[in-house]
Amino acid sequence: KAGVTQTPRYLIKTRGQQVTLSCSPISGHRSVSWYQQTPGQGLQFLFEYFSETQRNKGNFPGRFSGRQFSNSRSEMNVSTLELGDSALYLCASSLSHSTNTEAFFGQGTRLTVV
Amino acid sequence: AQSVTQLGSHVSVSEGALVLLRCNYSSSVPPYLFWYVQYPNQGLQLLLKYTSAATLVKGINGFEAEFKKSETSFHLTKPSAHMSDAAEYFCAVRGANNLFFGTGTRLTVIP
Repeated sequence: KAGVTQTPRYLIKTRGQQVTLSCSPISGHRSVSWYQQTPGQGLQFLFEYFSETQRNKGNFPGRFSGRQFSNSRSEMNVSTLELGDSALYLCASSLSHSTNTEAFFGQGTRLTVV
Repeated sequence: AQSVTQLGSHVSVSEGALVLLRCNYSSSVPPYLFWYVQYPNQGLQLLLKYTSAATLVKGINGFEAEFKKSETSFHLTKPSAHMSDAAEYFCAVRGANNLFFGTGTRLTVIP
């Protein structure tokens, strides 16, 4: 079974631009979560989608948004990029949103804002 | 609210020595706990999970963790470190909709 696929793996953008990251979950998984990882803040939750609905959102500005499609694939978008948005963005997929369900992570997208 | 605290941001062990990475949790409900490993420029790989079925949990690559409610701990151990174990390790607790991660422990294995 294929794992979680994130594209692209690396991205360089300029301040003020916007970016879209993609995540394809494990086949059959309906829950997709996004996390931001930085050296200073560690791993922080961005949002979770289940069956095309955003179920929860972390403490990030409105410049960060996401969506989930009917095939469970998810995208996240960051508008008006800032230098501080440079991070590894990780997507995780789960079979469901139950609390005892394990999350499987993709390899991440390394975003560098210059 | 749920949270985890990892004691020691860096741990160094000799090859063949015991690995002990510490994690304490805080949870208002019975916790679901996880250990993940991250190799450089990679995502997170699940090592093991605790979901109340057994207090001693065995994971991949020879790792195991013991859930101790009285100590609110879920420490990760491996009897004999291997060079390939060098990585960063994250303890996490499941909240209502997401995982709460610790700050990570970087494990160095000395040959």
